[in-house]
Amino acid sequence: EVQLVESGGGLVHPGGSLRLTCVVSGFNFRSYWMHWVRQAPGRGPVWVSRIGTNGADATYATSVKGRFTVSRDNAENTLFLQMNSLRDDDTGVYYCARGRTGDGYNPDSWGQGTLVTVSS
Amino acid sequence: DIVLTQSPLSLPVSPGEPASISCTSSQSLLHANGYTYLAWYLQRPGQSPHLLISLTSDRASGVPDRFSGSGSGTDFTLKISRVEAEDVGVYYCMQAVQTPQTFGQGTKLEIK
Repeated sequence: EVQLVESGGGLVHPGGSLRLTCVVSGFNFRSYWMHWVRQAPGRGPVWVSRIGTNGADATYATSVKGRFTVSRDNAENTLFLQMNSLRDDDTGVYYCARGRTGDGYNPDSWGQGTLVTVSS
Repeated sequence: DIVLTQSPLSLPVSPGEPASISCTSSQSLLHANGYTYLAWYLQRPGQSPHLLISLTSDRASGVPDRFSGSGSGTDFTLKISRVEAEDVGVYYCMQAVQTPQTFGQGTKLEIK
């Protein structure tokens, strides 16, 4: 069974940092592109970042570029999102998701998410 | 960034009736490799989104065949041939032809 479990969310002040972690199981992690997608309360999902199978090819949403860094540890089946200089509008549930077999661009399996709240 | 516009935003449907959702893109979603990168997701209440259709018309594993996707270029449609109670939720289109990948604003399907 494919499983993705996010952790690391919480309450942080504006300007602060958080590191999100996603531990996966049930599939060959090193063979899949991975994504982060967030969803503010009552709003639709917003794509945040994706990373290629070997840790290269990392791309970001315009709003997070230069503040967020995605990385992965294929030996530990773990995906990370380092978030710095957090702002109020970064608040939301952060999902990690596996890219579809083949092109990797469409997330096809999602975790349950971890809540990040940025507030003073 | 590519903007995806969905219509309608709210869709009340009686069980057993068909439903259709439109997604219009501000730019063509046809990639140089010949694939058109438009996907559809359903987010049921209290759940994560899950993939229904990718590459415009390819149903994901386990998705009932009452769901179908079509379209090309900038205009796309998701059709449900006969709506069932479990289809309730918010439907999103998403493009992956270029980064940043973007979602439509969502269409809320409810049962009459």
